[in-house]
Amino acid sequence: AQSVAQPEDQVNVAEGNPLTVKCTYSVSGNPYLFWYVQYPNRGLQFLLKYITGDNLVKGSYGFEAEFNKSQTSFHLKKPSALVSDSALYFCAVRGYGGSQGNLIFGKGTKLSVKP
Amino acid sequence: AAGVIQSPRHLIKEKRETATLKCYPIPRHDTVYWYQQGPGQDPQFLISFYEKMQSDKGSIPDRFSAQQFSDYHSELNMSSLELGDSALYFCASSSTWAADYEQYFGPGTRLTVT
Repeated sequence: AQSVAQPEDQVNVAEGNPLTVKCTYSVSGNPYLFWYVQYPNRGLQFLLKYITGDNLVKGSYGFEAEFNKSQTSFHLKKPSALVSDSALYFCAVRGYGGSQGNLIFGKGTKLSVKP
Repeated sequence: AAGVIQSPRHLIKEKRETATLKCYPIPRHDTVYWYQQGPGQDPQFLISFYEKMQSDKGSIPDRFSAQQFSDYHSELNMSSLELGDSALYFCASSSTWAADYEQYFGPGTRLTVT
């Protein structure tokens, strides 16, 4: 079965410092991996995805993620954090089924960026 | 650009009542997904439709049903509501022909069961 794990419930970073939000995955077959961000009382916003190709994926708002097959990881990174990046971040993997497959989410990591 | 529309945004119901949530996907998107996010939880997949046919089923209770109509909008019907059904319900849509595997989420409907 497909699954993702986010080992950290919360990550605290000072503004201007680099940030990393961790995600590991377990899949049968090739993984289709995603990062979404959720602001309070808002929907989920797509940040980036890995389907195939370059292991370093660049996404919205300056975020990037590195796909590491040997470590089964897909960590989200940003070189310089902003206070406005504070939100809940979900890693997700595409499940099987249907025309494109549902998303299976991790438990989420709350990112707090302090000035 | 047009986004996924969900209505209502907020809904308060009492136990044992019924509720209907509506979702209007992005134009020309052929697949709709429903997710349930409990307080402090990750979104859980409920059900999906492709071209108006049910394509996949997740952890959807038997008390819930859903369908996709000819104009591609979808409705999630919830009966005999329980306190545990209080959650944020998301609809997402995607396009098979775009083959980008991205799901675009609506703002959600917050259901409170009292």
